[in-house]
Amino acid sequence: QVQLVESGGGVVQPGRSLRLSCAASGFSLSIFGMHWVRQAPGKGLEWVAVMSYDGSDEYYADSVKGRFTISRDNSKNTLYLQMNSLRAEDTAVYYCARPPWEGQWLVPVNYWGQGTLVTVSS
Amino acid sequence: DIQLTQSPSFLSASVGDRVTITCRASQGISSYLAWYQQKPGKAPKLLIYAASTLQSGVPSRFSGSRSGTGTEFTLTISSLQPEDFATYYCQQLNSYPPTFGPGTKVDI
Repeated sequence: QVQLVESGGGVVQPGRSLRLSCAASGFSLSIFGMHWVRQAPGKGLEWVAVMSYDGSDEYYADSVKGRFTISRDNSKNTLYLQMNSLRAEDTAVYYCARPPWEGQWLVPVNYWGQGTLVTVSS
Repeated sequence: DIQLTQSPSFLSASVGDRVTITCRASQGISSYLAWYQQKPGKAPKLLIYAASTLQSGVPSRFSGSRSGTGTEFTLTISSLQPEDFATYYCQQLNSYPPTFGPGTKVDI
């Protein structure tokens, strides 16, 4: 069955970097656009980034543009989010998520990981 | 960016109630709207996409609709069940970034 497992979260100081991973199983990452969505403690959902199935397109929220980079290693069936110049307002649970349909990425998502918590604090 | 607002932000209801949540977009988004349900400590669950299409496995008491202008959308729960107490979010998928609404918490 489809499974997404995020890892790499933790406590990091402002200005530092962190890389999140999302290991996919039960399907091939290479045919799905993949998203990162975050949720600050007690707050709503915020879409972060998406990468097309073939890696040719990527889009970012304005709040992370220029600081975060989404990437994928299809040979490892893993999605990544490189987060640089972290700020306190980046503190959140980060989810990777997959749409129901292959080959599309500006579509809803129906498979989510369990999330990994990133805390940016000195 | 397209902004989404939801009303109400909080809703107190009882089991068996009919519940309606509204999502308004700052510009027309056709039918590119999805609804999610999220329970505390859990990832969101997709309920409805394309404004009114029920995701597979979602109970039929959930329904979605769109106003003629493509800026106002509603999520209706026809008869609230105990497991429906949660926070509901809309998301527009008309253009990047695919923004979420601020959420509506449905509580007892």
